[in-house]
Amino acid sequence: DVKVTQSSRYLVKRTGEKVFLECVQDMDHENMFWYRQDPGLGLRLIYFSYDVKMKEKGDIPEGYSVSREKKERFSLILESASTNQTSMYLCASGGQGSSGANVLTFGAGSRLTVL
Amino acid sequence: AQSVTQLDSQVPVFEEAPVELRCNYSSSVSVYLFWYVQYPNQGLQLLLKYLSGSTLVKGINGFEAEFNKSQTSFHLRKPSVHISDTAEYFCAVRTYSSASKIIFGSGTRLSIRP
Repeated sequence: DVKVTQSSRYLVKRTGEKVFLECVQDMDHENMFWYRQDPGLGLRLIYFSYDVKMKEKGDIPEGYSVSREKKERFSLILESASTNQTSMYLCASGGQGSSGANVLTFGAGSRLTVL
Repeated sequence: AQSVTQLDSQVPVFEEAPVELRCNYSSSVSVYLFWYVQYPNQGLQLLLKYLSGSTLVKGINGFEAEFNKSQTSFHLRKPSVHISDTAEYFCAVRTYSSASKIIFGSGTRLSIRP
């Protein structure tokens, strides 16, 4: 089974702090994604990456950046956390090709609270 | 750009009753469609997917969905629900040309009453 591991299940940070959310997958997938999940809004795509060092903005990239230095690791960075970034963050990965690229495997999520 | 609408934020049903969760999408090009399920305190997992071929797609746990191109819909159905189906269900879409970008709907919370 593909495993997507998010380093922190729960984090509490203060406004203005720099926050790193780490995600690692173990199935050599090309595509990796960061979503945030908020009640009533579903999942909104922040950034995704289709290869090492490659990234694409999703629908809500403002206030976030990402890093993909190695194929298995995709990091989400909040340069200066704000209270409106309090949310559940979900990492996902997917393979290449018309079939593999469509099935996402999700991590358990990282719940971030910004005070 | 593509979008997904799940009109029902919550659907309460009695155990063993049938259920339909509605999903409509908007796209100017051909799409792939998905349903994901999130059980309480767990991550999302794939329930079923439509890539091509037969418009009726069967998934895990007795769920099925029908792709209707003319109505741009992909409604999820189950003829008889169980308490264990209590979860949040997300419809998602990807266009053929979107370079793997997958967009999710706002989710429908299915609650089963005994």
